[in-house]
Amino acid sequence: DAGITQSPRHKVTETGTPVTLRCHQTENHRYMYWYRQDPGHGLRLIHYSYGVKDTDKGEVSDGYSVSRSKTEDFLLTLESATSSQTSVYFCAISIYQNKELFFGEGSRLTVL
Amino acid sequence: AQSVTQPDIHITVSEGASLELRCNYSYGATPYLFWYVQSPGQGLQLLLKYFSGDTLVQGIKGFEAEFKRSQSSFNLRKPSVHWSDAAEYFCAVGGHTGTASKLTFGTGTRLQVTL
Repeated sequence: DAGITQSPRHKVTETGTPVTLRCHQTENHRYMYWYRQDPGHGLRLIHYSYGVKDTDKGEVSDGYSVSRSKTEDFLLTLESATSSQTSVYFCAISIYQNKELFFGEGSRLTVL
Repeated sequence: AQSVTQPDIHITVSEGASLELRCNYSYGATPYLFWYVQSPGQGLQLLLKYFSGDTLVQGIKGFEAEFKRSQSSFNLRKPSVHWSDAAEYFCAVGGHTGTASKLTFGTGTRLQVTL
């Protein structure tokens, strides 16, 4: 158990509204990631963080922003949600120089 | 750019039969390779990983995988499948450069087990 908690686990929202997903970890790991999972696409990296206030883009970052003001929290924000952002979002952590990812339980977002 | 291909979208096997799930990767150097399993509504759990050394790696739940550099493959095997193995399986590749773990995942193979 990597001590990762995602919230909310389920959310339904309307097009154009802002949405923030939270990832919380209890073990002070440096690296945190946000992936989205869609049928036929597997998991794709949105953004990742390598420390407080240190973030970088992944493969599918358009329309998403992230923030990390504390080691334990990594926030994913959709400034203006679109239907194409309906997906399951997974947070993950990795331990320094150990390349495996440990995943949270996921947040299912539906944008109507 | 790194990529992963899982050519089988869906596989059905009988309980007790052997299983092989295929994974082909593209990476310019020696990769890190992983297999994850996902049960419905759950997150992903690591089955096994290859970093270096012995090309046959053992994982949890009786799974193993073999790294074949010449074929750019990392196929997952299990000699006797149990009904509880029904899930979706993802192969992933990452690189040795840098310290972040920016894994690239395949599109997954859904395993159905018939009794």
